[in-house]
Amino acid sequence: GQQVMQIPQYQHVQEGEDFTTYCNSSTTLSNIQWYKQRPGGHPVFLIQLVKSGEVKKQKRLTFQFGEAKKNSSLHITATQTTDVGTYFCAGSRSGGSNYKLTFGKGTLLTVNP
Amino acid sequence: GAVVSQHPSRVICKSGTSVKIECRSLDFQATTMFWYRQFPKQSLMLMATSNEGSKATYEQGVEKDKFLINHASLTLSTLTVTSAHPEDSSFYICSARGLGTEAFFGQGTRLTVV
Repeated sequence: GQQVMQIPQYQHVQEGEDFTTYCNSSTTLSNIQWYKQRPGGHPVFLIQLVKSGEVKKQKRLTFQFGEAKKNSSLHITATQTTDVGTYFCAGSRSGGSNYKLTFGKGTLLTVNP
Repeated sequence: GAVVSQHPSRVICKSGTSVKIECRSLDFQATTMFWYRQFPKQSLMLMATSNEGSKATYEQGVEKDKFLINHASLTLSTLTVTSAHPEDSSFYICSARGLGTEAFFGQGTRLTVV
């Protein structure tokens, strides 16, 4: 079945440093979504990428979708303590029933003030 | 974004009893609802997908007789953990999708079986 691999599993940075998490799918995706889960909270939708090579920005966050639509990345510039949490990518496959999302294992980001 | 309400947020039950968890879409009609289970510091594992008015589709390895899912209306889905055991203790999260592909998550339910 479809697998979505995400690295790294953990990342600890000093406040102000940049952070990147990478996501790779075993199959071509119709779209990829990114979610953030704060400790003790539930996943919150951040963004969806649909087009090959798409790049989207949200303030300090930059999301990319690979040309082959099999990989994606999330980059945070100049991290802040409010960025702490687990970032999940979730891929949806073309023709998949009900647009079922397959989640990566997530990257836990901790930020040292 | 759209709001999905999940209730209860926490529940403690005795081994052998059943627990029902509700998931409601408050301001949109959810054509599809998903139920996930999340172990501590791990990812979300899809348990089942349900469409309003039809039987849920369960993922491989998930016992449909143990995790009963009902999607009676476009705004409500329920997950009932039957004859719960300590190994069923986990964080259960629902998500709902309307006309788009974006999923909106409920707040989650932390189930503890003692």
